Amino acid sequence: NAGVMQNPRHLVRRRGQEARLRCSPMKGHSHVYWYRQLPEEGLKFMVYLQKENIIDESGMPKERFSAEFPKEGPSILRIQQVVRGDSAAYFCASSPTFDTYNEQFFGPGTRLTVL
Amino acid sequence: AQKITQTQPGMFVQEKEAVTLDCTYDTSDPSYGLFWYKQPSSGEMIFLIYQGSYDQQNATEGRYSLNFQKARKSANLVISASQLGDSAMYFCAMREGGQAGTALIFGKGTTLSVSS
Repeated sequence: NAGVMQNPRHLVRRRGQEARLRCSPMKGHSHVYWYRQLPEEGLKFMVYLQKENIIDESGMPKERFSAEFPKEGPSILRIQQVVRGDSAAYFCASSPTFDTYNEQFFGPGTRLTVL
Repeated sequence: AQKITQTQPGMFVQEKEAVTLDCTYDTSDPSYGLFWYKQPSSGEMIFLIYQGSYDQQNATEGRYSLNFQKARKSANLVISASQLGDSAMYFCAMREGGQAGTALIFGKGTTLSVSS
């Protein structure tokens, strides 16, 4: 039973380029969360999606960032025109239900470096 | 106000000793969950233990236990018999219940160093 998959594990982009981060939730999980971890910080929530729907994007920067979770395929976090401040680890987590008490299972993260 | 506060940036302990990592939280929601995660130097987030706000007993998972004091809003992680492999960053997190209960709110973390 594979865990949450994220790819790539490491991504290097130059300023102004686009970054696409992919997340495949655990089998049977239909809820996906994206978090960002800046150096020496805890994780900060960005967006919560269910299949084909964005449920909560209150933590997502208003510009340049977007997320989707299509009916088929992985969830994508897209960062357009990256800047140095976007350098961080981006984690995806999934859960099977909306129950408050459900653990969120984390992927290994994508480390984005913007040159 | 911070929702999750971890006041210890770093903790040092010898092998086989017990260590307590502090966590206090702030919420007005009666329904919530508290989590501890471990992040080793390799970077992945490893779930350790969970405590529900309505749970009567403190949660335990092997060498990990959660000292839940609801009136004081604290949820300290106790690691018994520390091992070298316990050296990592530890994060306390909360998930609030109700309609909007989705995201985990993380503290800034505590770095634990275990020496031989």
